[in-house]
Amino acid sequence: EGQLVETGGGLLQPGGSLRLSCAVSGFTVGTNYMAWVRQSPMKGLEWVSIITGDGTTHYTDSVKGRFTISRDNAKNTVSLQMNSLRAEDTAVYFCARGGDTMGHYFDYWGQGTLVTVSS
Amino acid sequence: DIQMTQSPPSLSASVGDTVTITCRASQSIPNYVTWYQQKPGRAPKVLIYAASTLSRGVPSRFTGSGSGTDFTLTIRGLQPEDFATYYCQQTYSTPRSTFGGGTKVEIK
Repeated sequence: EGQLVETGGGLLQPGGSLRLSCAVSGFTVGTNYMAWVRQSPMKGLEWVSIITGDGTTHYTDSVKGRFTISRDNAKNTVSLQMNSLRAEDTAVYFCARGGDTMGHYFDYWGQGTLVTVSS
Repeated sequence: DIQMTQSPPSLSASVGDTVTITCRASQSIPNYVTWYQQKPGRAPKVLIYAASTLSRGVPSRFTGSGSGTDFTLTIRGLQPEDFATYYCQQTYSTPRSTFGGGTKVEIK
């Protein structure tokens, strides 16, 4: 059974940077569809970024050019580098695994890490 | 982006009741709908995918139906552990999936 643990959240000012990490056990990130999904009271649940088994990445429009998803196969982790943070990026960020190769559902989720962007 | 309109936003029900939650997509999405359950402070948990396929370990009192633009999650014989918030998600346009606004199921 897969387990995902996110770390790296925190409080920071607009314009700042933060790196979230998702440590995975029970399966290998290098062969799975992995996603970052965020949740806020204002916007609800929202997909942020994904990386497929073949390394293809995608980003929701509002974070393109600011966020970068990556994975470390040796450490079995997925990361989200977040730059130029805005107040509207405030949310709980979840790491999740796609239940199939196309990400038609997310079957394993981490517990989430809170990112607060405020001056 | 494809919009998912979920209703009702909340409902009150008693243990043993049958509840129905609906999601309407802004365009046809064949059967690319997933349903999740979320409890406070926890991550979403997948219940049903491909509109009607029960995820492993999920009780059979949860059923999903629908195709095209209209989808339904039904819980028959509501149990105390079922009081939670439920979300639909369209994955027809994956990775650009979108979630519904949620339905909070509360104890009457």
